[in-house]
Amino acid sequence: KQEVTQIPAALSVPEGENLVLNCSFTDSAIYNLQWFRQDPGKGLTSLLLIQSSQREQTSGRLNASLDKSSGRSTLYIAASQPGDSATYLCAVRPGGYQKVTFGTGTKLQVIP
Amino acid sequence: NAGVTQTPKFQVLKTGQSMTLQCAQDMNHEYMSWYRQDPGMGLRLIHYSVGAGITDQGEVPNGYNVSRSTTEDFPLRLLSAAPSQTSVYFCASSYSSEVSTGYTFGSGTRLTVV
Repeated sequence: KQEVTQIPAALSVPEGENLVLNCSFTDSAIYNLQWFRQDPGKGLTSLLLIQSSQREQTSGRLNASLDKSSGRSTLYIAASQPGDSATYLCAVRPGGYQKVTFGTGTKLQVIP
Repeated sequence: NAGVTQTPKFQVLKTGQSMTLQCAQDMNHEYMSWYRQDPGMGLRLIHYSVGAGITDQGEVPNGYNVSRSTTEDFPLRLLSAAPSQTSVYFCASSYSSEVSTGYTFGSGTRLTVV
């Protein structure tokens, strides 16, 4: 059974700092991995999708990497801003129609 | 705007009442699913569908029914609401896993059962 862990559960950083969020998974037989952002009381917004054949994806100040062999993905946020404050979740999708497994998230607070 | 639309956004039910949460997508996604999100529990899959006429149970299906008569719609029915079903419900869709895309989520339905 796939297990997805996100550590730390919460993180507080000063504005402008570069930071890394971690996502670990136990079964490396994945199809893709997706990073989401969730603002309080809102739905999940997709940030980046990495296919199993890719090593990283970039969008603006965000960079996500994937190392299947070690069962790890990282989300790098450059020059953090207060508007980046949210909960970040990773989701691992296996092949076929097996269900996606979500991590429990990292709650990020960027302090002005 | 293309995406996943959920209605209602908020709902209060009395114990024992039934209701249907609506989910519609206009992206021609084959795969649709319902999740509930509870504090400390993360997202848990209730039911999912891989195409019209095909549904299957997730990890927490008890007390819920689904059907998929069209590609666009995937309603979730609460048969007899219980306080344990107080939660935020999300609908998500994607192309089939043979096509490399990710999930698109709706904005959620916040349900309170009293």
